[in-house]
Amino acid sequence: GAGVSQSPSNKVTEKGKDVELRCDPISGHTALYWYRQRLGQGLEFLIYFQGNSAPDKSGLPSDRFSAERTGESVSTLTIQRTQQEDSAVYLCASSFTSGGKNIQYFGAGTRLSVL
Amino acid sequence: GDSVTQMEGPVTLSEEAFLTINCTYTATGYPSLFWYVQYPGEGLQLLLKATKADDKGSNKGFEATYRKETTSFHLEKGSVQVSDSAVYFCALSAAGGTSYGKLTFGQGTILTVHP
Repeated sequence: GAGVSQSPSNKVTEKGKDVELRCDPISGHTALYWYRQRLGQGLEFLIYFQGNSAPDKSGLPSDRFSAERTGESVSTLTIQRTQQEDSAVYLCASSFTSGGKNIQYFGAGTRLSVL
Repeated sequence: GDSVTQMEGPVTLSEEAFLTINCTYTATGYPSLFWYVQYPGEGLQLLLKATKADDKGSNKGFEATYRKETTSFHLEKGSVQVSDSAVYFCALSAAGGTSYGKLTFGQGTILTVHP
Protein backbone atom coordinates (compact mmCIF):
# COMPACT_ATOMS: atom_id res chain seq x y z
CA GLY A 1 0.00 0.00 0.00
CA ALA A 2 0.88 3.65 -0.19
CA GLY A 3 1.19 4.20 3.54
CA VAL A 4 1.43 2.47 6.89
CA SER A 5 -1.74 0.52 7.55
CA GLN A 6 -2.98 -0.42 11.00
CA SER A 7 -5.86 -2.64 12.02
CA PRO A 8 -8.27 -2.57 13.62
CA SER A 9 -8.84 1.16 13.74
CA ASN A 10 -10.83 0.77 16.94
CA LYS A 11 -10.87 -2.02 19.50
CA VAL A 12 -13.04 -2.27 22.57
CA THR A 13 -12.22 -5.07 24.97
CA GLU A 14 -12.96 -6.18 28.48
CA LYS A 15 -10.41 -6.01 31.25
CA GLY A 16 -8.37 -9.20 31.39
CA LYS A 17 -8.74 -10.12 27.73
CA ASP A 18 -5.84 -10.34 25.26
CA VAL A 19 -5.69 -8.11 22.16
CA GLU A 20 -3.62 -8.15 18.99
CA LEU A 21 -2.90 -5.04 16.98
CA ARG A 22 -1.54 -5.25 13.45
CA CYS A 23 0.76 -2.98 11.48
CA ASP A 24 1.56 -3.22 7.75
CA PRO A 25 4.58 -1.00 7.06
CA ILE A 26 5.42 0.71 3.81
CA SER A 27 6.94 -1.81 1.44
CA GLY A 28 10.73 -1.76 1.58
CA HIS A 29 10.94 -0.02 4.95
CA THR A 30 13.42 -1.86 7.14
CA ALA A 31 12.65 -0.13 10.42
CA LEU A 32 9.33 -0.40 12.29
CA TYR A 33 8.33 1.34 15.51
CA TRP A 34 5.40 1.06 17.92
CA TYR A 35 4.33 4.02 20.05
CA ARG A 36 1.51 4.59 22.53
CA GLN A 37 -0.44 7.83 22.84
CA ARG A 38 -2.49 8.21 25.99
CA LEU A 39 -5.25 10.79 26.10
CA GLY A 40 -3.83 14.31 26.32
CA GLN A 41 -0.23 13.10 26.30
CA GLY A 42 2.60 12.77 23.86
CA LEU A 43 3.69 9.57 22.23
CA GLU A 44 5.66 7.00 24.21
CA PHE A 45 8.10 4.69 22.44
CA LEU A 46 7.34 1.01 22.93
CA ILE A 47 9.46 -1.17 20.65
CA TYR A 48 11.65 -0.91 17.55
CA PHE A 49 12.51 -3.46 14.85
CA GLN A 50 15.38 -2.99 12.42
CA GLY A 51 15.69 -5.66 9.75
CA ASN A 52 16.63 -9.01 11.26
CA SER A 53 18.37 -7.54 14.30
CA ALA A 54 17.11 -8.18 17.80
CA PRO A 55 14.33 -5.69 18.58
CA ASP A 56 14.78 -2.84 21.03
CA LYS A 57 12.11 -3.58 23.64
CA SER A 58 13.21 -0.93 26.11
CA GLY A 59 9.92 0.98 25.96
CA LEU A 60 7.54 -1.88 26.70
CA PRO A 61 5.77 -0.97 29.96
CA SER A 62 5.33 -4.50 31.31
CA ASP A 63 5.72 -8.16 30.41
CA ARG A 64 2.09 -8.17 29.31
CA PHE A 65 3.23 -6.36 26.17
CA SER A 66 5.03 -8.15 23.35
CA ALA A 67 5.53 -7.63 19.64
CA GLU A 68 6.69 -9.66 16.69
CA ARG A 69 7.82 -8.89 13.20
CA THR A 70 8.78 -11.37 10.53
CA GLY A 71 11.56 -10.00 8.37
CA GLU A 72 10.58 -6.62 6.95
CA SER A 73 6.87 -7.26 6.84
CA VAL A 74 3.87 -7.14 9.13
CA SER A 75 4.21 -6.59 12.86
CA THR A 76 1.81 -7.60 15.62
CA LEU A 77 1.64 -5.94 19.03
CA THR A 78 0.02 -8.18 21.65
CA ILE A 79 -1.27 -7.02 25.01
CA GLN A 80 -2.17 -9.82 27.40
CA ARG A 81 -4.60 -9.51 30.31
CA THR A 82 -5.49 -5.95 29.36
CA GLN A 83 -5.94 -3.33 32.06
CA GLN A 84 -7.85 -0.06 31.94
CA GLU A 85 -4.57 1.88 31.92
CA ASP A 86 -3.76 0.22 28.59
CA SER A 87 -6.48 2.34 26.95
CA ALA A 88 -4.70 4.52 24.40
CA VAL A 89 -4.05 4.98 20.71
CA TYR A 90 -1.32 2.64 19.52
CA LEU A 91 0.65 4.03 16.61
CA CYS A 92 2.97 2.23 14.25
CA ALA A 93 5.61 3.91 12.12
CA SER A 94 8.08 2.68 9.54
CA SER A 95 11.14 4.14 7.88
CA PHE A 96 13.55 3.15 5.15
CA THR A 97 16.32 2.60 7.62
CA SER A 98 17.19 3.47 11.18
CA GLY A 99 18.50 6.78 12.33
CA GLY A 100 17.32 10.28 13.03
CA LYS A 101 17.82 11.49 9.49
CA ASN A 102 15.30 9.02 8.13
CA ILE A 103 11.67 10.02 8.19
CA GLN A 104 9.21 7.89 10.11
CA TYR A 105 5.82 7.52 8.46
CA PHE A 106 2.94 6.88 10.82
CA GLY A 107 -0.23 4.90 10.49
CA ALA A 108 -3.58 6.26 11.64
CA GLY A 109 -3.37 4.16 14.80
CA THR A 110 -5.53 1.70 16.69
CA ARG A 111 -7.70 3.20 19.42
CA LEU A 112 -7.89 0.65 22.23
CA SER A 113 -10.53 1.00 24.92
CA VAL A 114 -10.41 -1.37 27.88
CA LEU A 115 -13.67 -1.46 29.82
CA GLY B 1 17.45 10.47 29.26
CA ASP B 2 16.26 12.46 26.28
CA SER B 3 13.23 14.68 26.73
CA VAL B 4 11.17 17.27 24.86
CA THR B 5 9.14 20.02 26.47
CA GLN B 6 6.48 21.96 24.58
CA MET B 7 4.65 25.06 25.67
CA GLU B 8 1.44 24.52 27.55
CA GLY B 9 -1.68 24.52 25.41
CA PRO B 10 -4.22 24.79 24.01
CA VAL B 11 -3.52 27.77 21.76
CA THR B 12 -6.41 29.67 20.24
CA LEU B 13 -5.80 32.26 17.52
CA SER B 14 -7.72 34.26 14.96
CA GLU B 15 -7.05 33.70 11.28
CA GLU B 16 -3.94 35.54 9.99
CA ALA B 17 -2.43 35.81 13.48
CA PHE B 18 1.23 35.01 14.16
CA LEU B 19 1.92 31.62 15.71
CA THR B 20 4.75 30.50 17.97
CA ILE B 21 4.84 27.13 19.71
CA ASN B 22 7.86 26.78 21.94
CA CYS B 23 9.86 23.58 22.11
CA THR B 24 12.99 22.85 24.11
CA TYR B 25 14.87 19.60 24.42
CA THR B 26 17.39 17.72 26.49
CA ALA B 27 19.64 15.24 24.72
CA THR B 28 23.24 14.18 24.45
CA GLY B 29 25.11 14.85 21.26
CA TYR B 30 23.39 16.30 18.23
CA PRO B 31 19.88 14.91 17.82
CA SER B 32 17.67 15.46 14.80
CA LEU B 33 14.61 17.58 15.52
CA PHE B 34 11.12 17.31 14.07
CA TRP B 35 7.69 18.86 14.15
CA TYR B 36 4.82 16.48 13.49
CA VAL B 37 1.19 17.51 12.98
CA GLN B 38 -1.96 15.52 13.67
CA TYR B 39 -5.08 16.84 11.96
CA PRO B 40 -8.46 15.81 13.37
CA GLY B 41 -9.16 12.16 12.62
CA GLU B 42 -5.83 11.60 10.87
CA GLY B 43 -2.46 10.07 11.69
CA LEU B 44 0.75 11.95 12.45
CA GLN B 45 2.41 13.65 9.52
CA LEU B 46 5.89 15.08 9.40
CA LEU B 47 5.66 18.86 9.10
CA LEU B 48 9.37 19.78 9.03
CA LYS B 49 12.75 18.70 10.30
CA ALA B 50 16.28 19.86 10.98
CA THR B 51 19.27 17.59 11.40
CA LYS B 52 22.04 19.91 12.59
CA ALA B 53 22.56 23.14 14.46
CA ASP B 54 21.37 26.34 12.71
CA ASP B 55 19.39 24.34 10.14
CA LYS B 56 15.98 25.81 9.38
CA GLY B 57 13.17 23.43 8.52
CA SER B 58 10.22 24.84 6.61
CA ASN B 59 6.99 23.60 5.09
CA LYS B 60 3.52 25.02 4.37
CA GLY B 61 4.55 28.42 5.74
CA PHE B 62 5.80 26.94 9.02
CA GLU B 63 9.42 27.36 10.08
CA ALA B 64 11.63 26.17 12.91
CA THR B 65 15.35 26.74 13.51
CA TYR B 66 17.60 24.27 15.33
CA ARG B 67 19.23 26.31 18.10
CA LYS B 68 21.95 24.33 19.81
CA GLU B 69 22.87 27.13 22.21
CA THR B 70 19.35 27.36 23.63
CA THR B 71 18.40 23.70 22.92
CA SER B 72 15.25 24.92 21.22
CA PHE B 73 13.26 24.28 18.06
CA HIS B 74 10.36 26.73 18.21
CA LEU B 75 7.66 26.46 15.54
CA GLU B 76 6.49 29.67 13.86
CA LYS B 77 4.06 30.73 11.17
CA GLY B 78 3.45 34.30 10.12
CA SER B 79 -0.24 33.99 9.26
CA VAL B 80 -2.28 31.01 10.40
CA GLN B 81 -5.36 29.66 8.65
CA VAL B 82 -8.37 27.78 9.95
CA SER B 83 -7.01 24.68 8.20
CA ASP B 84 -3.94 24.79 10.47
CA SER B 85 -6.09 23.72 13.43
CA ALA B 86 -4.47 20.52 14.65
CA VAL B 87 -2.24 19.06 17.34
CA TYR B 88 1.47 19.82 16.92
CA PHE B 89 4.18 17.60 18.35
CA CYS B 90 7.85 18.45 18.73
CA ALA B 91 10.14 15.42 18.66
CA LEU B 92 13.78 14.44 18.62
CA SER B 93 15.71 11.45 17.42
CA ALA B 94 18.89 10.64 19.29
CA ALA B 95 22.20 10.97 17.52
CA GLY B 96 23.40 7.50 18.33
CA GLY B 97 23.71 4.73 20.87
CA THR B 98 20.91 2.40 21.82
CA SER B 99 18.29 5.12 21.30
CA TYR B 100 19.26 5.55 17.67
CA GLY B 101 16.23 6.22 15.49
CA LYS B 102 13.60 6.29 18.23
CA LEU B 103 11.54 9.43 18.47
CA THR B 104 11.01 11.17 21.80
CA PHE B 105 7.92 13.38 21.69
CA GLY B 106 6.70 16.42 23.55
CA GLN B 107 3.21 16.32 24.99
CA GLY B 108 1.62 18.07 22.03
CA THR B 109 0.02 21.48 21.62
CA ILE B 110 -3.56 21.85 20.44
CA LEU B 111 -3.97 24.76 18.03
CA THR B 112 -7.41 26.12 17.19
CA VAL B 113 -7.74 28.87 14.61
CA HIS B 114 -11.01 30.81 14.36
CA PRO B 115 -12.19 32.64 11.23
